[in-house]
Amino acid sequence: DAGVIQSPRHEVTEMGQEVTLRCKPISGHNSLFWYRQTMMRGLELLIYFNNNVPIDDSGMPEDRFSAKMPNASFSTLKIQPSEPRDSAVYFCASSLRDSINQPQHFGDGTRLSIL
Amino acid sequence: AQSVTQLDSQVPVFEEAPVELRCNYSSSVSVYLFWYVQYPNQGLQLLLKYLSGSTLVESINGFEAEFNKSQTSFHLRKPSVHISDTAEYFCAVIGGSQGNLIFGKGTKLSVKP
Repeated sequence: DAGVIQSPRHEVTEMGQEVTLRCKPISGHNSLFWYRQTMMRGLELLIYFNNNVPIDDSGMPEDRFSAKMPNASFSTLKIQPSEPRDSAVYFCASSLRDSINQPQHFGDGTRLSIL
Repeated sequence: AQSVTQLDSQVPVFEEAPVELRCNYSSSVSVYLFWYVQYPNQGLQLLLKYLSGSTLVESINGFEAEFNKSQTSFHLRKPSVHISDTAEYFCAVIGGSQGNLIFGKGTKLSVKP
């Protein structure tokens, strides 16, 4: 079975540019999560969706960050404009929310470097 | 509010030695606990989970964790580690009614020959 697919795996861009990260969750999963991982802060939950609806975006650092889930099989995390402090590994995860205790399945992440 | 504390940021051990990675949690609701492992340049993978029933849970690669309600702990153990166990390990608890996870800061296990 295909797992959570993230693209690109690596992204290097200059500050001020728009960055779009993409995620395809596991087919049939109805919850989707975006995380950011840095050495300083560890793993932070940015936003999560249930049935394509954003439930909690309190982890989104600022207005430069936005996330969408137009359908059950695709989500994007956008940073505009990007800044060097946004450099991190961004993970997408999905789960089947038929009960509260379903584990999350993670993608391999996008390593983002803002110069 | 739910929270997770992993007391050790790094744990170096020699191959074939036993290891314990500590995790303490606080939760005001039903407790569901997880251990995830992250190998270099990869995403997190579920290692084991406690939902209910037996307080001792095991993974397929020899790790086990014991849910201790009185001590609010869920420590991860392995009696004999391998070089291939070198990774970062994250303890997590369900954070709310929506099922989002609250992760600890992680413990980097480094197994040396």
